[in-house]
Amino acid sequence: QSALTQPASVSGSPGQSITISCTGTGGEIGGFFYVSWYQQHPGKAPKLMIYDVTTRPSGVSNRFSGSKSGNTASLTISGLQAEDEADYYCSSYSTSGTLVLFGGGTKLTVL
Amino acid sequence: QVQLVESGGGLVKPGGSLRLSCGASGFSFSDYYMSWVRQAPGKGLEWISYISTSGSTIYYADSVRGRFTISRDNAKNSLHLQMNSLRAEDTAVYYCARDIGMLRGLDPWGQGTLVTVSS
Repeated sequence: QSALTQPASVSGSPGQSITISCTGTGGEIGGFFYVSWYQQHPGKAPKLMIYDVTTRPSGVSNRFSGSKSGNTASLTISGLQAEDEADYYCSSYSTSGTLVLFGGGTKLTVL
Repeated sequence: QVQLVESGGGLVKPGGSLRLSCGASGFSFSDYYMSWVRQAPGKGLEWISYISTSGSTIYYADSVRGRFTISRDNAKNSLHLQMNSLRAEDTAVYYCARDIGMLRGLDPWGQGTLVTVSS
């Protein structure tokens, strides 16, 4: 069981917006601004989409945005496109024995 | 362009050892912290180890501490993961990834190398 909890799946139609949540069990997300999000297409390596809660790396579409409130972080994808269909993972720095935690992943389906 | 290429995966018996390597190109390898992350078949991501630029600071996940050893050779632009006392639950695709700074994010990732632990 992951220390960060994500919904197993979300779905949306093209053009719509969806939000994926990521909830911590301790002070990982709430205590630091080191939340990141990754996109992974089947058979491919993960790709960094958001870091430091809200920052997009160069080249990532501005349709992707991040936020957090308390111990829950969120990834919002606006204007859904077919190419957004993938697995999404949140990650956070942690002061526990394992310094980097990942969520269990959320499968996004574009209807 | 920035590229990371893992190698060294394969089939190994429980209790055995394996050494993974990650070759880096397209950036100043010695300036970046690096991590290893693994993904069991059909499962999520699991961070397992991190090494500072000089190799003086190293962290491990609880699940591999004492069995795995991370190292780097800045002269050869390479990262390594020595895996000992392997277990069936270590079966996974192993990715190396460049840290953007202080464990804030990993970018980019290599294509991964599959390690299968089975008798």
